[in-house]
Amino acid sequence: DAGVIQSPRHEVTEMGQEVTLRCKPISGHNSLFWYRQTMMRGLELLIYFNNNVPIDDSGMPEDRFSAKMPNASFSTLKIQPSEPRDSAVYFCASSLFGGNTIYFGEGSWLTVV
Amino acid sequence: QQQVKQSPQSLIVQKGGIPIINCAYENTAFDYFPWYQQFPGKGPALLIAIRPDVSEKKEGRFTISFNKSAKQFSLHIMDSQPGDSATYFCAASPEQAGTALIFGKGTTLSVSS
Repeated sequence: DAGVIQSPRHEVTEMGQEVTLRCKPISGHNSLFWYRQTMMRGLELLIYFNNNVPIDDSGMPEDRFSAKMPNASFSTLKIQPSEPRDSAVYFCASSLFGGNTIYFGEGSWLTVV
Repeated sequence: QQQVKQSPQSLIVQKGGIPIINCAYENTAFDYFPWYQQFPGKGPALLIAIRPDVSEKKEGRFTISFNKSAKQFSLHIMDSQPGDSATYFCAASPEQAGTALIFGKGTTLSVSS
């Protein structure tokens, strides 16, 4: 079975550029989560959706960050404009609504220079 | 109140040792406490989880101890092996369906052979 699929796996971009990270959750899962991992802050929850509806975006650091889930099988996390401090690994994860186990993708490694 | 505090940040043990990783929480609404294991270049994956109605849970060489009154829980790895070298995250979530996991900052474990 396919797990959570993220793209791109690696991205290097210049400061000020727009970055779009993509996620395909596990088929049938109806909760989707975006986390950011850094050495300093560990795994931070950015935003999560239930049934395509954003439930809690309080972890989104600034207005430069936005996330969408136009349908049950696709979500995007956009950073515009990007800054060097956005460099991190961004993980998408999914779960069944009401289920406790969340399944992570392999992450998108973002470097902003 | 939403935080989960994890210690130590890093841990080095010899093969066969018993590393112990500790976590503490404040939110009494939390009722699900998983541990996730992450290998380099991969996303975190569920290792073992516990609910507050039991004080201990074992799965193979991994044991969670839970102290509800102290609001603390810990992971013990018996007879640790070099293959256990990874980053370990504790997490917690409240009982309401469709809520997100809140993670500790992680512990990097190195088991020397």
